[in-house]
Amino acid sequence: RKEVEQDPGPFNVPEGATVAFNCTYSNSASQSFFWYRQDCRKEPKLLMSVYSSGNEDGRFTAQLNRASQYISLLIRDSKLSDSATYLCVVNAGGKLIFGQGTELSVKP
Amino acid sequence: GAVVSQHPSWVICKSGTSVKIECRSLDFQATTMFWYRQFPKQSLMLMATSNEGSKATYEQGVEKDKFLINHASLTLSTLTVTSAHPEDSSFYICSARDRVSPNEQFFGPGTRLTVL
Repeated sequence: RKEVEQDPGPFNVPEGATVAFNCTYSNSASQSFFWYRQDCRKEPKLLMSVYSSGNEDGRFTAQLNRASQYISLLIRDSKLSDSATYLCVVNAGGKLIFGQGTELSVKP
Repeated sequence: GAVVSQHPSWVICKSGTSVKIECRSLDFQATTMFWYRQFPKQSLMLMATSNEGSKATYEQGVEKDKFLINHASLTLSTLTVTSAHPEDSSFYICSARDRVSPNEQFFGPGTRLTVL
C-alpha cells in the first residue's frame, strides 16, 4: 500500500465548477500535511498547509481527519489557471511523502 | 520567500557519462537539503537527505555509489549521477530547509536529465 494515496485523475471540469480532491495516508504518526500544486515540467509549489480544524484560503478549503487519516482539498469557482496537478503531501519524521498527484484540467 | 536555484535546468548526455547537478539556497542557510526524483506521471520520490558537513542519508533502494551527494556548505549541495544510463533519465528536484523554518521545504526548479 502506498504511503499517500490520492484520487486517480484526470479531473476535467468547466470554469466555475467546484471540485474536490481526496487523499489518504497510512502513517498514523504523520505530523503535518500539505497540498502542493505542480505545473507541467515545473517544481511543486506549496498551495496550503492543512490543519485539523480545517482551513480556507480564498477559493481553496482544506480539511484533515486524523482519525480516518484522510485529507481533502476543495476548490470553488475554478479558474482556467487552476489547471495543474495537485499533490497531497505528508510530513512524517521530517521527510515529505508525496502522493502521485491528481491532474485537474479546467475548460472554458 | 526563500529561493533555491538548480543548475543546469536541463542536460542531455551520453550513456556512461557522469552528470553533476547543483542546488543552491540563495538567501538563506540550508542546514538540510533533500534530493528527489520524479519519473513521468509519477510522484516525487525522496532519494536522499543531506546535512551540511556530514554524509547523506539515502532512502532504501537508492544506490549511494551511483548518486553521489555532497553538501559542503550551508548554501550548496551537489548530486552527481555517475555512469548515467537511459533509465536514470528523470526530473531531479532539490529542496532546502533552514533553521528558522524547520517545518518548511523550499524547492528548486528542477533539472531534467535525459541520457541517450
